[in-house]
Amino acid sequence: NAGVTQTPKFRILKIGQSMTLQCAQDMNHNYMYWYRQDPGMGLKLIYYSVGAGITDKGEVPNGYNVSRSTTEDFPLRLELAAPSQTSVYFCASSYITITDTQYFGPGTRLTVL
Amino acid sequence: GQQVMQIPQYQHVQEGEDFTTYCNSSTTLSNIQWYKQRPGGHPVFLIQLVKSGEVKKQKRLTFQFGEAKKNSSLHITATQTTDVGTYFCAGTLGNTDKLIFGTGTRLQVFP
Repeated sequence: NAGVTQTPKFRILKIGQSMTLQCAQDMNHNYMYWYRQDPGMGLKLIYYSVGAGITDKGEVPNGYNVSRSTTEDFPLRLELAAPSQTSVYFCASSYITITDTQYFGPGTRLTVL
Repeated sequence: GQQVMQIPQYQHVQEGEDFTTYCNSSTTLSNIQWYKQRPGGHPVFLIQLVKSGEVKKQKRLTFQFGEAKKNSSLHITATQTTDVGTYFCAGTLGNTDKLIFGTGTRLQVFP
């Protein structure tokens, strides 16, 4: 199993550009999550999904959108990138419930200039 | 705002010294998880505690969940350079379905 994979690893965007961060898991996990981690800070939940077709907002959803058309994939869309979105983005998944172990992807380091 | 706080924010220790990080929540947690993140890496699950007063050990690491299920601690005995990283607690608040991560404690171990 590859676990949780994320692409790209690094990206530099100009203000106002858009992009999609890809996340995939091959563990047949129901729950998937997107977090952002600012330098020296903890993880903040952006969006999460409890299964295909179901998504919900986390702590900091503004400026982002998600979709979950399949169990495996959970892309995160940034529209109109802003410098405040400069961060490291982690995707994670867990098997059945929120209390199960979360497996994290390697992260995408995004810089908005 | 942030509902799960960790102290200290940073800790520098000499190799062989002990280390403890504390996690505190303003509300009751249904469970608590601990993760370790190496510099430049991603969080990796260490353990989950569910019961009030629960204590679990993993080699030199001891994890404790408070009686009121509002606090937790991670204690490392005789630190090694391989223990370097940031330790995060993460708790599920009451009956919610969100895992809230603590602010993290960055551990540096000097040889």
